Amino acid sequence: DSGVTQTPKHLITATGQRVTLRCSPRSGDLSVYWYQQSLDQGLQFLIQYYNGEERAKGNILERFSAQQFPDLHSELNLSSLELGDSALYFCASSVTGTGNTIYFGEGSWLTVV
Amino acid sequence: DQQVKQNSPSLSVQEGRISILNCDYTNSMFDYFLWYKKYPAEGPTFLISISSIKDKNEDGRFTVFLNKSAKHLSLHIVPSQPGDSAVYFCAASEGGSEKLVFGKGTKLTVNP
Repeated sequence: DSGVTQTPKHLITATGQRVTLRCSPRSGDLSVYWYQQSLDQGLQFLIQYYNGEERAKGNILERFSAQQFPDLHSELNLSSLELGDSALYFCASSVTGTGNTIYFGEGSWLTVV
Repeated sequence: DQQVKQNSPSLSVQEGRISILNCDYTNSMFDYFLWYKKYPAEGPTFLISISSIKDKNEDGRFTVFLNKSAKHLSLHIVPSQPGDSAVYFCAASEGGSEKLVFGKGTKLTVNP
């Protein structure tokens, strides 16, 4: 158990809909990351937050957004969902946001039908 | 353009033998490299890392070798155990950033 908690574990939704994935980082970690793993792709970095502020952005679509709240939990919002958004979404956390190993949650499986 | 490549999608070895997982990268600015292990239905877990100032790092049965001139790293597992069966991801970062660039993974199967 990495200490990073993600909910829901599985989600099935229809195209065009909007979903929110939630992440609670390890106790004491200030930085949260979101990664996407599609069937034929490795882990793709989406976005990083540090202590409530966006720190780095990767290949995140405009239909997706994220935020980190004062209690340090984070949410990833996915809207206007398409079939190709079906993937495993991982949240990870680390203490400082630079130079440290990051710890992954178990992921949220999203299936868009 | 894939900056971190794991060209072998799968590898099968016998218990007790050596497992060698390979990873190539294209970005010469990468200066920190990591290996993560992933079991089904779990998130990736950190295994071992190496800084670009070293060419070898060892942790128990796991050793990572880095060849900067070839932009190549490898993970050696000796001896391999059935519990090592998992997907192994190579990852890289630059400049102290924790924005990791991952390969697509290699599925290792260790047969009893």
